[in-house]
Amino acid sequence: NAGVTQTPKFRILKIGQSMTLQCTQDMNHNYMYWYRQDPGMGLKLIYYSVGAGITDKGEVPNGYNVSRSTTEDFPLRLELAAPSQTSVYFCASRPGLGNSNQPQHFGDGTRLSIL
Amino acid sequence: AQTVTQSQPEMSVQEAETVTLSCTYDTSESDYYLFWYKQPPSRQMILVIRQEAYKQQNATENRFSVNFQKAAKSFSLKISDSQLGDAAMYFCAYTRGSSNTGKLIFGQGTTLQVKP
Repeated sequence: NAGVTQTPKFRILKIGQSMTLQCTQDMNHNYMYWYRQDPGMGLKLIYYSVGAGITDKGEVPNGYNVSRSTTEDFPLRLELAAPSQTSVYFCASRPGLGNSNQPQHFGDGTRLSIL
Repeated sequence: AQTVTQSQPEMSVQEAETVTLSCTYDTSESDYYLFWYKQPPSRQMILVIRQEAYKQQNATENRFSVNFQKAAKSFSLKISDSQLGDAAMYFCAYTRGSSNTGKLIFGQGTTLQVKP
């Protein structure tokens, strides 16, 4: 059982380039999340989704876009990469409504550097 | 808005000793859940322990236990018989129980060093 899978694990981008961070889960979880973790800091929510076709902004959404066309996949898009987006990105998933005591399952993260 | 604060950026403990990591939170909700996650150098986020706010009994998972003080809004993690593999960054996290989004709010983290 793979859980939450993120690709790529590492990436270096030039300022102004775009890319998509991929996230897929095989647990049939309705809820999915994207977080960023800056060095020495906690995780901050970028975007989240409570089901296919439904997404919403988190605490730090500027510079990012998401889509959720299937239950399994929740890609994160950076359109114009900026140095401030250098961070480690985590995707997570959780069963849906009524499961607040269930923990989020995290992927292994993507380390992204913008130069 | 809810906040989570970990006031100890770094802690150290001798192998086999006990250490307590602090966490405080601010919320006006009565129904919520609290979690401790461990992040080793491998970067994985690993659930250590969870606590339901409506339960008075403190959660325990093997060598890990919490001291949940609801009135003081305090949620500390106690690690007994510390092992070298416990060295990691530890995050305290909060989520509303009645939330229909399940969003987690994280503290800043505490780096735990275990000395042999």
